[in-house]
Amino acid sequence: GAVVSQHPSWVICKSGTSVKIECRSLDFQATTMFWYRQFPKQSLMLMATSNEGSKATYEQGVEKDKFLINHASLTLSTLTVTSAHPEDSSFYICSAPPLAGVETQYFGPGTRLLVL
Amino acid sequence: GQQVMQIPQYQHVQEGEDFTTYCNSSTTLSNIQWYKQRPGGHPVFLIQLVKSGEVKKQKRLTFQFGEAKKNSSLHITATQTTDVGTYFCAGLSNSGYALNFGKGTSLLVTP
Repeated sequence: GAVVSQHPSWVICKSGTSVKIECRSLDFQATTMFWYRQFPKQSLMLMATSNEGSKATYEQGVEKDKFLINHASLTLSTLTVTSAHPEDSSFYICSAPPLAGVETQYFGPGTRLLVL
Repeated sequence: GQQVMQIPQYQHVQEGEDFTTYCNSSTTLSNIQWYKQRPGGHPVFLIQLVKSGEVKKQKRLTFQFGEAKKNSSLHITATQTTDVGTYFCAGLSNSGYALNFGKGTSLLVTP
């Protein structure tokens, strides 16, 4: 089946630094990828939709200048958490539907971010 | 926007007992998807229901989609310890392929 990878799987950083998370579709192309955030014992909350070749679409309440998204190619989207603060500590997960438009989404393994 | 509600939030059963989680949407859904997330893991797709009144089975798991396409359920018969995890239902958002997840039901199965 389709595989989505994420890197890094976990990261610890100091407050004020920026962290880049990569999401790759390994065996299919994805014009659209999604970024979710999940706090402990909570559900996944959609942050933004990453679109190859155009600007990302952010959900209400998500700061686009803080969470920079770049969909560099049909297999790569990156999320950069700028000037990270402890409240940004969370589990960040990307997902992608196969290019054929099947509505099923394949999730990456997630990135655990801890901001000290 | 569309909201997906899911109950119960937690369920603790003895191995061999049945388990059911329910999902309700404030609006009609084009389809509904179910995912399972093991502790420390990421969501894994289980199934998608599209048709009104649809029922699908995967071994001990039975998925139903309501006639009005606003509710769905997942029933596990004779739970096993391997069923432990959080089960999420998800409906498509108004924007297209993005998913609106329910809060999930965390299942704990004790031997």
